[in-house]
Amino acid sequence: GIQVEQSPPDLILQEGANSTLRCNFSDSVNNLQWFHQNPWGQLINLFYIPSGTKQNGRLSATTVATERYSLLYISSSQTTDSGVYFCAVVNGRGSTLGRLYFGRGTQLTVWP
Amino acid sequence: DGGITQSPKYLFRKEGQNVTLSCEQNLNHDAMYWYRQDPGQGLRLIYYSQIVNDFQKGDIAEGYSVSREKKESFPLTVTSAQKNPTAFYLCASSMDSRGRQYFGPGTRLTVL
Repeated sequence: GIQVEQSPPDLILQEGANSTLRCNFSDSVNNLQWFHQNPWGQLINLFYIPSGTKQNGRLSATTVATERYSLLYISSSQTTDSGVYFCAVVNGRGSTLGRLYFGRGTQLTVWP
Repeated sequence: DGGITQSPKYLFRKEGQNVTLSCEQNLNHDAMYWYRQDPGQGLRLIYYSQIVNDFQKGDIAEGYSVSREKKESFPLTVTSAQKNPTAFYLCASSMDSRGRQYFGPGTRLTVL
């Protein structure tokens, strides 16, 4: 299956700082999603972004499908941004029928 | 995200027992999925279903079984054949095999 690598694995920030999370994938994709997993385990949809750029408040994401990577930007971070951020993709080849392949995540900790 | 419910939230099982985790969605989605998450890991696919009365194995189906008798329901049974069942289980659904996936709140299973 497709390989998904996220970096950095851990990130510690002071409140107010900006950050960039990266997701590299090994094959073409027809779906890419970013999730935030809160301390209770709930996966929150952040972006559905197989290509292009989207913004939602302090968060934005860019996917360059031809170069097989996506970036998640968090500006003016807050303590409530803490948690694990996952990138997940659907392979654009073969008959994998919509299954998501997940990276191992970036653990973000924001200190007040 | 709203529209997908999982129960129970916490489940304790003795070794040798089968248990069934519930997943219900009212989003009128055709596709449904079961994932397993272990500490510090991404999510791994157990089973998925594109339509009623049809389902396919994911990467780690051994020791698990599912059914899809109704569009809105996709229960997962963890059998005694699953050697290491203690984990966090997440159910998801999407409009179709290429659509954005939405996740339920999860069930934490612990084997005593």
